[in-house]
Amino acid sequence: GAVVSQHPSRVICKSGTSVKIECRSLDFQATTMFWYRQFPKQSLMLMATSNEGSKATYEQGVEKDKFLINHASLTLSTLTVTSAHPEDSSFYICSARGLGNSPLHFGNGTRLTVT
Amino acid sequence: QKEVEQNSGPLSVPEGAIASLNCTYSDRGSQSFFWYRQYSGKSPELIMFIYSNGDKEDGRFTAQLNKASQYVSLLIRDSQPSDSATYLCAVNSRNSGAGSYQLTFGKGTKLSVIP
Repeated sequence: GAVVSQHPSRVICKSGTSVKIECRSLDFQATTMFWYRQFPKQSLMLMATSNEGSKATYEQGVEKDKFLINHASLTLSTLTVTSAHPEDSSFYICSARGLGNSPLHFGNGTRLTVT
Repeated sequence: QKEVEQNSGPLSVPEGAIASLNCTYSDRGSQSFFWYRQYSGKSPELIMFIYSNGDKEDGRFTAQLNKASQYVSLLIRDSQPSDSATYLCAVNSRNSGAGSYQLTFGKGTKLSVIP
């Protein structure tokens, strides 16, 4: 089945630094990738939709200058958390889908801890 | 606003019983329906998808779709403690005029299978 690889799986960084998370579709071309955030015991929250070759669409309340998304190819999207703060500590999950009605496949997630 | 509703649970069933998870959706034009399982601290994994009215079986899992009632369900037969997780319903519908698809998630139902 379709595989989405997300890296790193876990990262600890200091407040004020930036962290980049990569999301790759390994065996299919992902026209659209999605970035989610999930706080403990809460639902998935969609942060942004990333379309290859165009600007990402951010959900209301998500700062586009803080969460930089780049989707430079059909198999790679990156999320950079800039100037991270402790409140950015969360579980970040990417997902990818091919065309039309195809299912969404999730990466294994990145647990970010900002100290 | 496209909505997907699930009972948050927890739904507790004894080992070996049938677990029934339900989901309703607001957009009558929705075209495809997915069930994801999410273990605590992990990312969601796709377990079933269904496009047509009726039942679709895969091992111990059966997805049921009733488009007239805007209702989709997941049955888990012979429930095992390892099935204990949060189950997310996701509904795919076409964005009017945009030519793209939007996947909307419910908040998930927590299932607990008691040994």
